[in-house]
Amino acid sequence: QKEVEQNSGPLSVPEGAIASLNCTYSDRGSQSFFWYRQYSGKSPELIMFIYSNGDKEDGRFTAQLNKASQYVSLLIRDSQPSDSATYLCAVKGVSGSARQLTFGSGTQLTVLP
Amino acid sequence: DAEITQSPRHKITETGRQVTLACHQTWNHNNMFWYRQDLGHGLRLIHYSYGVQDTNKGEVSDGYSVSRSNTEDLPLTLESAASSQTSVYFCASSSTGTGVTGELFFGEGSRLTVL
Repeated sequence: QKEVEQNSGPLSVPEGAIASLNCTYSDRGSQSFFWYRQYSGKSPELIMFIYSNGDKEDGRFTAQLNKASQYVSLLIRDSQPSDSATYLCAVKGVSGSARQLTFGSGTQLTVLP
Repeated sequence: DAEITQSPRHKITETGRQVTLACHQTWNHNNMFWYRQDLGHGLRLIHYSYGVQDTNKGEVSDGYSVSRSNTEDLPLTLESAASSQTSVYFCASSSTGTGVTGELFFGEGSRLTVL
């Protein structure tokens, strides 16, 4: 059984600051890692994915992966009030039932103006 | 534009009744999924399908069933609704090549209340 753990928060940061969201996973066979953003009352949407150890940057977002530590994080630079949402970490294996995504419970982020 | 639609968006029913939530996608995706979302639990997989006539149980499948008779639709049926099935239900789809990105495209959700 795959487990994906996230700090539930809520996490509050001031506008312009860096928000750091963390996620750990239990299945060492996991190969792909995803961050979804979910605004209140809306459906999740993909914002980042990462496969390889290290950092992956996309605009103000950086995903960081450390497979040895089974840890993946999302950094949001220059945080904006519009970034206020719940961020879901998701993990995917490569075979059998592990091929579908397993989601963490999400971290609620509030960016204060 | 391609999309994935769920209906009804809101449903109130009574314990013991059968309920069906519809999901229709025009992405022509082979993979379709049903998740439920509850406070503190995130998204939990109920059932999934990798193609027509293929269905598989997910993490929380008890009390739910699905059928896949065509590419576009994956209805979710609650045979005998229970109060524990009060939740927000999300349908999602992805292409066969999801091994590349894993991106799921979600419907807008169906909020089900079982009284």
